[in-house]
Amino acid sequence: QVRLQESGPGLVKPSQTLSLTCTVSGGSISSPDYYWNWIRQRPGKGLEWIGYVFQSGDTYYSPTLNSRLNITIDTSKNQFSLNLHSVTAADTAVYYCARVPRIARKWRFDPWGQGTLVTVSS
Amino acid sequence: EILMTQSPGTLSVSPGERATLSCRASQNVFSNLAWYQQKPGQAPRLLIYGASNRASDVPARFSGSGSGTEFTLTIGSLQSEDFAVYHCQQYNNWPLTFGGGTKVEIK
Repeated sequence: QVRLQESGPGLVKPSQTLSLTCTVSGGSISSPDYYWNWIRQRPGKGLEWIGYVFQSGDTYYSPTLNSRLNITIDTSKNQFSLNLHSVTAADTAVYYCARVPRIARKWRFDPWGQGTLVTVSS
Repeated sequence: EILMTQSPGTLSVSPGERATLSCRASQNVFSNLAWYQQKPGQAPRLLIYGASNRASDVPARFSGSGSGTEFTLTIGSLQSEDFAVYHCQQYNNWPLTFGGGTKVEIK
């Protein structure tokens, strides 16, 4: 059974970079069958897809966050990471990592990590 | 980007009653729609995919219907563990998008 677990600082200062890591267990992040995603949920709001990375390092980002995003993969550690630059209070959210099958139009999120709250504040 | 709209925002239901939740897409997503259940302090859990297929271990009281732009999640007889927030998500096109969620609360 594949499990995902987010880790990283819970507090980031405005204008700095938010960095999180998702560790995958019970399965290989090198599988060609999946995309590895980041999703966030701002307080009182709905879910927002951020972007994904593939085992090759290929990425696809949300158009609204594209200019500030970098998602990378480390297959040796079975981890992938999110870097969101120049954060503001509007980036305060619970951040989730999740897996999506690569097969066309099977792109639903399952499983998810438990989520980690990141607060942007000075 | 496909806009997903859920209604109502909050649904007050008594235990044992039926709950009907709606999700509308701004353009045709065929049957490429999923529903997720999210309990307080927990991650979302996949409930329904392909608009009407229950995911593993999902009780039969949960059913999904619809195609194109209009979708419905029905909970047949609400149990205490069903009070949660429900999200719809389209997966017909990238970027993948979610609705704003419907909170099902105890009446």
